[in-house]
Amino acid sequence: DGGITQSPKYLFRKEGQNVTLSCEQNLNHDAMYWYRQDPGQGLRLIYYSQIVNDFQKGDIAEGYSVSREKKESFPLTVTSAQKNPTAFYLCASSPSGNGETQYFGPGTRLLVL
Amino acid sequence: QKEVEQDPGPLSVPEGAIVSLNCTYSNSAFQYFMWYRQYSRKGPELLMYTYSSGNKEDGRFTAQVDKSSKYISLFIRDSQPSDSATYLCAMRGTGTASKLTFGTGTRLQVTL
Repeated sequence: DGGITQSPKYLFRKEGQNVTLSCEQNLNHDAMYWYRQDPGQGLRLIYYSQIVNDFQKGDIAEGYSVSREKKESFPLTVTSAQKNPTAFYLCASSPSGNGETQYFGPGTRLLVL
Repeated sequence: QKEVEQDPGPLSVPEGAIVSLNCTYSNSAFQYFMWYRQYSRKGPELLMYTYSSGNKEDGRFTAQVDKSSKYISLFIRDSQPSDSATYLCAMRGTGTASKLTFGTGTRLQVTL
């Protein structure tokens, strides 16, 4: 089955803790994206990567970090510098870096204890 | 003012009704337009993808783009309870690094 997987489905973070959200795709897509979704605000782009070993900041990158060591994997770390991390995090991929049709994973809900 | 405006709803319609969902935008550089459906606590699923102005039909769904008015629509015919979800519009310009800009989503409820 081709698709995008995200894990875990739910994640709890304590104050001052870094947590990492996993995103894997087997669609052979070059580009991958991380979005944050909050009620009433739509999807906001955190980071994106058009090719392995390269990534760019999106609109709300502060407090987040990413890596792209493999084509199929694009993990997102929510650092302690992100003061309001509670949100639904969505990973997406597209065939190339043209930002065209993007396909989304099932999401990870991050909650702060 | 947001680049993309979308009425959050909720929009409640009876089963079998025709549903009209809309977005307006301000950036005339947008050329590609998408509609996504998102069920509660799930990732968005691509429904329709159109380029520039015109209509595109796929089963019960029709996407319409009017670039002169900066207005896009998604029509759902013979609506079903399974259509109950949040519908997100998204759009982008041209260029290799062009990013998607999303509306906030309209929540649709189709009742029996």
